Amino acid sequence: DQQVKQNSPSLSVQEGRISILNCDYTNSMFDYFLWYKKYPAEGPTFLISISSIKDKNEDGRFTVFLNKSAKHLSLHIVPSQPGDSAVYFCAALKFTGNQFYFGTGTSLTVIP
Amino acid sequence: DAGVTQSPTHLIKTRGQQVTLRCSPKSGHDTVSWYQQALGQGPQFIFQYYEEEERQRGNFPDRFSGHQFPNYSSELNVNALLLGDSALYLCASSLGLSGEKLFFGSGTQLSVL
Repeated sequence: DQQVKQNSPSLSVQEGRISILNCDYTNSMFDYFLWYKKYPAEGPTFLISISSIKDKNEDGRFTVFLNKSAKHLSLHIVPSQPGDSAVYFCAALKFTGNQFYFGTGTSLTVIP
Repeated sequence: DAGVTQSPTHLIKTRGQQVTLRCSPKSGHDTVSWYQQALGQGPQFIFQYYEEEERQRGNFPDRFSGHQFPNYSSELNVNALLLGDSALYLCASSLGLSGEKLFFGSGTQLSVL
């Protein structure tokens, strides 16, 4: 049972515009949410995270929004740059059990 | 500061064989988790090791086993390989059982023929 879902396999955005990547989850007991970025032939690298008690976290060009009532989070990248082209994974964590659940990923292409 | 290192980077095996993958965690980390990433899927949790013991396990059969050594490095063993075991195997390290952030290695690409 997929507890974390990314329903958009791919997204294309013009350089300089906003990229919005979406993620839905089913388990209301998740404590923490993270976004990872993955380039080909590399492991995922941590990008940004948010605690379940917050609704927004910002780090430079990256902002993550959490809507607990909708069980939805999104990653905003502004402005998008060609180097942002990668696969982005949403992940959720329950502190009890300490198991990370990953979505299937969204491949972002930023067009110069 | 060395990150998470995995070996080998690529591996080709045939059905029924056994394979061992290796991982050294990021310096200062004591917890190692293993993930399987099939093509087009997200990483799926296999198990987690802390203090040389398996602490958590995902929905994987007993053919998947592991070990953690006193220096925190870890091995993933898969017996009786199936074609469906072909995937990228990712090792991730963290600090403590409740680490909020995983640091991943580049993975081992396993192909089972």
